[in-house]
Amino acid sequence: LAKTTQPISMDSYEGQEVNITCSHNNIATNDYITWYQQFPSQGPRFIIQGYKTKVTNEVASLFIPADRKSSTLSLPRVSLSDTAVYYCLLLSRRALTFGSGTRLQVQP
Amino acid sequence: DGGITQSPKYLFRKEGQNVTLSCEQNLNHDAMYWYRQDPGQGLRLIYYSQIVNDFQKGDIAEGYSVSREKKESFPLTVTSAQKNPTAFYLCASKPGRDGNNEQFFGPGTRLTVL
Repeated sequence: LAKTTQPISMDSYEGQEVNITCSHNNIATNDYITWYQQFPSQGPRFIIQGYKTKVTNEVASLFIPADRKSSTLSLPRVSLSDTAVYYCLLLSRRALTFGSGTRLQVQP
Repeated sequence: DGGITQSPKYLFRKEGQNVTLSCEQNLNHDAMYWYRQDPGQGLRLIYYSQIVNDFQKGDIAEGYSVSREKKESFPLTVTSAQKNPTAFYLCASKPGRDGNNEQFFGPGTRLTVL
């Protein structure tokens, strides 16, 4: 089962851009790279998903190189409310495979 | 108002008792999932179902059982065989079987076994 590796924690300040990189060396052909956000005692919330190249939506951008062995979630101008755990996942026909995620702490 | 509901939000049980956690969705999604989350950890897959009357074990199915008699319902029973059942349980659903559909999560049930 393909696994992902991401930093355990990151710190940032309000207004800064945050980039969280995820490694997935054994990604399968049919895997989609998906990022979720989770606040304490809540279910994860979908942020963005991509297969290759770059994807952008109203909250984030996702950069995926040609070999798809890594991906980078970019959060522009973070605020205090972006303090959460961010999970990089490979979504396939079976189910999501969650790692421990990256705990992002945004300081004022 | 569409979504996934889990009940109850908090559940307390005595050791040795079976307990069933409810998960209902009115999104007409085919696939449904149960995850367990321990403090400071990621989610681990317990069971999943891609169609009615069919389900598969996830990574930590021992001590749990499920049923999928209706498309909108996927209850999880935590049996007395589960050695450490205290955890946060999350149910999720997905529209179809293809990989490019996001999963929608319910609010979770926090189970505490005394």
